[in-house]
Amino acid sequence: DTAVSQTPKYLVTQMGNDKSIKCEQNLGHDTMYWYKQDSKKFLKIMFSYNNKELIINETVPNRFSPKSPDKAHLNLHINSLELGDSAVYFCASSQGGFNTEAFFGQGTRLTVV
Amino acid sequence: AQSVTQLDSQVPVFEEAPVELRCNYSSSVSVYLFWYVQYPNQGLQLLLKYLSGSTLVKGINGFEAEFNKSQTSFHLRKPSVHISDTAEYFCAVRWNTGNQFYFGTGTSLTVIP
Repeated sequence: DTAVSQTPKYLVTQMGNDKSIKCEQNLGHDTMYWYKQDSKKFLKIMFSYNNKELIINETVPNRFSPKSPDKAHLNLHINSLELGDSAVYFCASSQGGFNTEAFFGQGTRLTVV
Repeated sequence: AQSVTQLDSQVPVFEEAPVELRCNYSSSVSVYLFWYVQYPNQGLQLLLKYLSGSTLVKGINGFEAEFNKSQTSFHLRKPSVHISDTAEYFCAVRWNTGNQFYFGTGTSLTVIP
């Protein structure tokens, strides 16, 4: 059983399109995250939800909109895709409390052409 | 501001030699420390974590790390590396003042046969 699963794994799309990435965790965690990993492997937090409530919203263009229908799911919708959005997007989850680790999905490699 | 520093972006090492990957962070007030490994085209996998207690923590695949509060460091070590250890390694820190994980910029470990 995959603990944190993301779909799709690869996404190639043209500039200007709208796309979504889905994430589901079956660990019963309260908190979910979206991270962006750029071409230099740097990981940057984008959003975090706790029990469906947005708690972290870093400086991310408004074209990115997360949605959490329930605490097991956190989807990422991206409007008007740009070349600079090409990256690997990771979903992660963790249990409540600071002394817990994050569990990561396999990532979604987004390529905008 | 909170930050995590991995000074070595690339570390080449011969097979069966020891290795140390360095990690420093900005403040040791109530920190929780993690090392993750990322194999090519995969997500991040937890290697080990320091939450409290003994400052020397052991993880998977023969890795260990030592929490040094005075030097605000959490260096990762392995006494004898294998080819299969070739991967990207990330140090992550969680402070109890916020909800997110702060990642270093990663160290690319290459094991040379």
